[in-house]
Amino acid sequence: GAVVSQHPSWVICKSGTSVKIECRSLDFQATTMFWYRQFPKQSLMLMATSNEGSKATYEQGVEKDKFLINHASLTLSTLTVTSAHPEDSSFYICSARNARDNQETQYFGPGTRLLVL
Amino acid sequence: AQSVTQPDIHITVSEGASLELRCNYSYGATPYLFWYVQSPGQGLQLLLKYFSGDTLVQGIKGFEAEFKRSQSSFNLRKPSVHWSDAAEYFCAVVHNQAGTALIFGKGTTLSVSS
Repeated sequence: GAVVSQHPSWVICKSGTSVKIECRSLDFQATTMFWYRQFPKQSLMLMATSNEGSKATYEQGVEKDKFLINHASLTLSTLTVTSAHPEDSSFYICSARNARDNQETQYFGPGTRLLVL
Repeated sequence: AQSVTQPDIHITVSEGASLELRCNYSYGATPYLFWYVQSPGQGLQLLLKYFSGDTLVQGIKGFEAEFKRSQSSFNLRKPSVHWSDAAEYFCAVVHNQAGTALIFGKGTTLSVSS
């Protein structure tokens, strides 16, 4: 149990286009999902916290108008990179907390690698 | 603010040898502590976690970690490393309030030599 999927796993796009990444909890309901970004050989940096039915909370330095997050259901959160540029190329990872889990365990998706040309 | 430090950027261990990866945290109260492993190009897999109780926790793949409050440490250990353990290891902490995200250390890359 506690499987999180991400789609797509790989995406290559032209500069200026928008890319949507989906994060789904497959076998549990997630009231809270998190989006992280990871540059090569570096750690994961939290971008935003996504709560179902409310606006996402963005970390300092993360442009909310550029990285649009929608958490419309208890099993799906989406991250849209708008007007992507080469510097947005990165590995984007989501995680989800089980709504029924009293503990703070997060389950991670496999990540989405974005390459902006 | 809470933080996590992994002092070792890269460690090489011979296959069959023991392993210890260091993790120190900075936090006022008792933190929730985690170790994750990431294989190249993959997401993160939870190895083990500590919330309370027995300070020696057992995880998957033969890993264990010990919470030492006096040293603010949560070091990861394995008695005998296998070549498949080569990966990136992240220590993480979360504030013990619901819904707070993880704070990760910078990671330790483990290489296994034959």
